[in-house]
Amino acid sequence: AQRVTQPEKLLSVFKGAPVELKCNYSYSGSPELFWYVQYSRQRLQLLLRHISRESIKGFTADLNKGETSFHLKKPFAQEEDSAMYYCALSTGGFKTIFGAGTRLFVKA
Amino acid sequence: GAVVSQHPSWVICKSGTSVKIECRSLDFQATTMFWYRQFPKQSLMLMATSNEGSKATYEQGVEKDKFLINHASLTLSTLTVTSAHPEDSSFYICSASRPGTYEQYFGPGTRLTVT
Repeated sequence: AQRVTQPEKLLSVFKGAPVELKCNYSYSGSPELFWYVQYSRQRLQLLLRHISRESIKGFTADLNKGETSFHLKKPFAQEEDSAMYYCALSTGGFKTIFGAGTRLFVKA
Repeated sequence: GAVVSQHPSWVICKSGTSVKIECRSLDFQATTMFWYRQFPKQSLMLMATSNEGSKATYEQGVEKDKFLINHASLTLSTLTVTSAHPEDSSFYICSASRPGTYEQYFGPGTRLTVT
């Protein structure tokens, strides 16, 4: 079965601390993985995709096929990073399955 | 850019009536659009995948006769909630993807309240 698991509903860190939002997936095919972010009162938007191997706003995510994980990391959290983060898996037919989401709260 | 709009942003209707929500891709052609439902403090639940010029593909458990989806052009998809009931009250979000790509661009959502 295709599934995306984000084990943490809420993650609270201090400004300047490292942050890691966990994401595990279950999919028998070749996965296309994404992180989407939703800031307060804004629409959901793409943060980064695994195929691009890019760093956006200081965030990176590495696909680990052995562990079926796609954790999102940032070495130094900022207050403006506070938002809801969704890990997403795209499968054949361009359908996307979203995880339950993790709310990140960065404290001053 | 890739902008997706939704109209209306919020709507209140009486039980038994029908409501139409529009989703438009403003600056790109979207062969595929998606409709999601989001309950408070929960993740997005995919309702259906809409392809231009063909019938929508509904997810298991979503009533196709209740949630009518029409993707009439490459820039417009509509979701009609027919014979609405209070339990249909929710936040409905659409998204669109460019041809041949997986990433989705989301609309701002429509808050539906059925009284």
